[in-house]
Amino acid sequence: GESVGLHLPTLSVQEGDNSIINCAYSNSASDYFIWYKQESGKGPQFIIDIRSNMDKRQGQRVTVLLNKTVKHLSLQIAATQPGDSAVYFCAENIRAAGNKLTFGGGTRVLVKP
Amino acid sequence: DTGVSQDPRHKITKRGQNVTFRCDPISEHNRLYWYRQTLGQGPEFLTYFQNEAQLEKSRLLSDRFSAERPKGSFSTLEIQRTEQGDSAMYLCASSLGRARASTDTQYFGPGTRLTVL
Repeated sequence: GESVGLHLPTLSVQEGDNSIINCAYSNSASDYFIWYKQESGKGPQFIIDIRSNMDKRQGQRVTVLLNKTVKHLSLQIAATQPGDSAVYFCAENIRAAGNKLTFGGGTRVLVKP
Repeated sequence: DTGVSQDPRHKITKRGQNVTFRCDPISEHNRLYWYRQTLGQGPEFLTYFQNEAQLEKSRLLSDRFSAERPKGSFSTLEIQRTEQGDSAMYLCASSLGRARASTDTQYFGPGTRLTVL
């Protein structure tokens, strides 16, 4: 398969530890945020989303935190597993302005056994 | 498989040739999107359709690019007179597109990798 994100920031994490991936978004008018996971040779896979009227949302093993004051988004992965190795992108959207997503630059997560 | 599908998965062409990609969205999804992704970058929005209507186009979509969704189901993206700078992954996504929904999750296909020699 092809490699996604050859020169991306990389987070190395030990299997079983928690991972925290950070994202600074650009538009203070954005009201919807999404985290995607992209494995080599595949399209982005939806992980979790959050609306701007929330500051935290939990899924299965994942938590997204939103700090609108500093335009910061984070994704926490609990008990990181080898299958979590991938590139993670945050995306933002202004719902009233249409449906295009604006993606951040991505972070590569490498899980060490 | 009920996800978004794209065809072909890989395309190698010579500069100046025309190429066409196809996207089949998730059944019953009204909205369909095209994005482009280059190595090391996140996807960049190109255009999107609500049913058969093309509602928004990015400035990235030059005159050589055209997208259609004639029956509101599958979509095609054509690039005419390809240039080496067109080499990228072309991603398609779809979403339900319900008017009063507070969120509208986009689900992506596997992409078409284009290489222009």
